[in-house]
Amino acid sequence: AQKVTQAQTEISVVEKEDVTLDCVYETRDTTYYLFWYKQPPSGELVFLIRRNSFDEQNEISGRYSWNFQKSTSSFNFTITASQVVDSAVYFCALSVTNTGNQFYFGTGTSLTVIP
Amino acid sequence: GAGVSQSPSNKVTEKGKDVELRCDPISGHTALYWYRQSLGQGLEFLIYFQGNSAPDKSGLPSDRFSAERTGGSVSTLTIQRTQQEDSAVYLCASSQKLPGQGRRTDTQYFGPGTRLTVL
Repeated sequence: AQKVTQAQTEISVVEKEDVTLDCVYETRDTTYYLFWYKQPPSGELVFLIRRNSFDEQNEISGRYSWNFQKSTSSFNFTITASQVVDSAVYFCALSVTNTGNQFYFGTGTSLTVIP
Repeated sequence: GAGVSQSPSNKVTEKGKDVELRCDPISGHTALYWYRQSLGQGLEFLIYFQGNSAPDKSGLPSDRFSAERTGGSVSTLTIQRTQQEDSAVYLCASSQKLPGQGRRTDTQYFGPGTRLTVL
C-alpha cells in the first residue's frame, strides 16, 4: 500500500525565516514519483516539483529546495527567506507506476508567514 | 495556454438532489482525474480516465457517484441523491500521457475546483 505522511499540520514563521516542510512516504515499489503542490488561499493547486525514485539529487529553485532521501523515505521541502506570498497549504504526493497514474496525497501542511 | 477549467465554481444544493460538475482538461491531455477535498483534509482520489481505456473507478465512495468523459475531453462528475457529507471541493486534474509511455507517471495539473455545499 502507498501512503504519504505530512506530520506538520500547521506551521507559522516570521517573514525571512527559513522553514522546512516534512514529507515521509511509504511504498514497496522501486519505481515511483514524488511531487509537491502548493494550494494558496485562492484554492488552485499549483505544481512545484516532480522527482523520480532513481534521482536522489537535491534540487534548488530560487528560494525553494528539496531534499530527497530514499534511506529515510523522505522528500522534504525547504523555503529560504520566507515571504508572505508563501502562505499556503503545501501537499506532498506519491505516484507509483503499477497503479497507473493514481496519486496519493498527504494531508497537507498549512504554512503561515507572518509579516 | 489555457489550464484546466471547472464549472460551476460554487454549487449549493439541497439534500437529495442530483448535481453535475464539469471539467475541461488542458487541450491534448489524455488523462483526467477527479478528486475530492473535504474541509481541512487532503485530496481523496475518485476516478481516473486515460484515453479510451476503461476508467479506474476505485476511489468512488458509493454508487451515487459516477463520471463520464465524452470524446476524450470534457468530463462530468455526477452525484445522485446528494448527502450533506458530499459537501467538499471537487478538483479535476489532467495530465499528458502519450502512447508508448507505458506506466510512466506524468505531472497532474489542477483546475480551480467546484465547491459543493449540500444543505
